[in-house]
Amino acid sequence: DVVMTQSPLSLPVTVGQPASISCRSSQSLVYSDGNTYLSWFQQRPGQSPRRLIYKVSNRDSGVPDRFGGSGSGTDFTLKISRVEAEDVGLYYCMQGTHWYTFGQGTKLEI
Amino acid sequence: EVQLVESGGGLVKPGGSLILSCEVSAFTFSDAWMSWVRQAPGKGLEWVGLIKRKSDGGTTDYAAPVKGRFTISRDDSKNKLYLQMDSLKTEDTAIYYCTTLSLGGMAVWGQGTTVTVSS
Repeated sequence: DVVMTQSPLSLPVTVGQPASISCRSSQSLVYSDGNTYLSWFQQRPGQSPRRLIYKVSNRDSGVPDRFGGSGSGTDFTLKISRVEAEDVGLYYCMQGTHWYTFGQGTKLEI
Repeated sequence: EVQLVESGGGLVKPGGSLILSCEVSAFTFSDAWMSWVRQAPGKGLEWVGLIKRKSDGGTTDYAAPVKGRFTISRDDSKNKLYLQMDSLKTEDTAIYYCTTLSLGGMAVWGQGTTVTVSS
């Protein structure tokens, strides 16, 4: 099974400042079709998860452009350029190349 | 707006069975791959299984912890997805989310339904 490891697990931030979450996979996430199926999800307190980013760096519809994804192979990053109060919650990376596995989650708090 | 509404959760004894449903609206359900994801209390997200659209064979795949005990099915005429859960264990206690699958991941999520397995 592919193991997804996120860091940090807790991320205290200040409104208006940038934030960054790292995600590493135990094996390459490049699929046979050439795509890399790495997604990022946000789960606000008491809500269902919501996908922010798919295929490493593509924002889903309605996702603010302060959220950005990058990386390749086994190392990936979610960056928030300027944190807002509404960004508080849990963030998960997930690989969809070898079935589906999620990272442990990173708690972003202000 | 695409909507997924789960139902059928509840309290069940270990060894028991439960069927969850997910009603889909505002998109062409028959064209969609669908999945179930669960979240144990205070824990992270865990993929449970998926079902492909009929034009891709309509086949299912499951995560190891539920394989042989859970069955996913769909009724395209009713825009409904199902999760039949048998031989339930206490560790199956979780919120169960229905999701669409596209572009390599879970695109749209329902609000979830809670399953508690306890004697």
